Amino acid sequence: NAGVTQTPKFRILKIGQSMTLQCTQDMNHNYMYWYRQDPGMGLKLIYYSVGAGITDKGEVPNGYNVSRSTTEDFPLRLELAAPSQTSVYFCASSSLDRAYNQPQHFGDGTRLSIL
Amino acid sequence: AQSVTQLDSQVPVFEEAPVELRCNYSSSVSVYLFWYVQYPNQGLQLLLKYLSGSTLVKGINGFEAEFNKSQTSFHLRKPSVHISDTAEYFCAVTPNRDDKIIFGKGTRLHILP
Repeated sequence: NAGVTQTPKFRILKIGQSMTLQCTQDMNHNYMYWYRQDPGMGLKLIYYSVGAGITDKGEVPNGYNVSRSTTEDFPLRLELAAPSQTSVYFCASSSLDRAYNQPQHFGDGTRLSIL
Repeated sequence: AQSVTQLDSQVPVFEEAPVELRCNYSSSVSVYLFWYVQYPNQGLQLLLKYLSGSTLVKGINGFEAEFNKSQTSFHLRKPSVHISDTAEYFCAVTPNRDDKIIFGKGTRLHILP
């Protein structure tokens, strides 16, 4: 049971480039989330999804896009990378039933630098 | 709206000494409370959670936390820390009928030999 898997683990981008951060989970969880973590700022929610085909904005969605075509996958897309998007990105998931009652399972993160 | 405040950004403590990491929250509705730990270069792991019932919650690795509704606090404690407890600790809150968890800014625990 792999849990939540994120790829790549590290990436350096140039300003204006685009990329997709991959996230997949094998726990059949309906809820999936993308967070970014900046030093001293805790975790900020970028986007989340309550099931396949359904996504919604979190606290800091600008500059990002997501899709959820399957239960397992929840990719995060950066269209025009900017230095402000340098951060560590975490994907997480939780089950449908009593989502508030379930701990979120986290991936190990993608460390992204925009130069 | 809910919010979480972790009062200390860094806490140094000697090995085998006790530690308390402070967390206060604000909410107009009942909440569920969590503490997560993040070891270097890893994702977050759940330490413990308060959902209802006993206000003293025991978690993994010898940690415990006490929910105090009147003081809106959920402080994390351990009676004797080890070098392996060096990590960042996050307090989090979820409103009862919501599915999004709100995280505090984190407290970095430094264990001194």
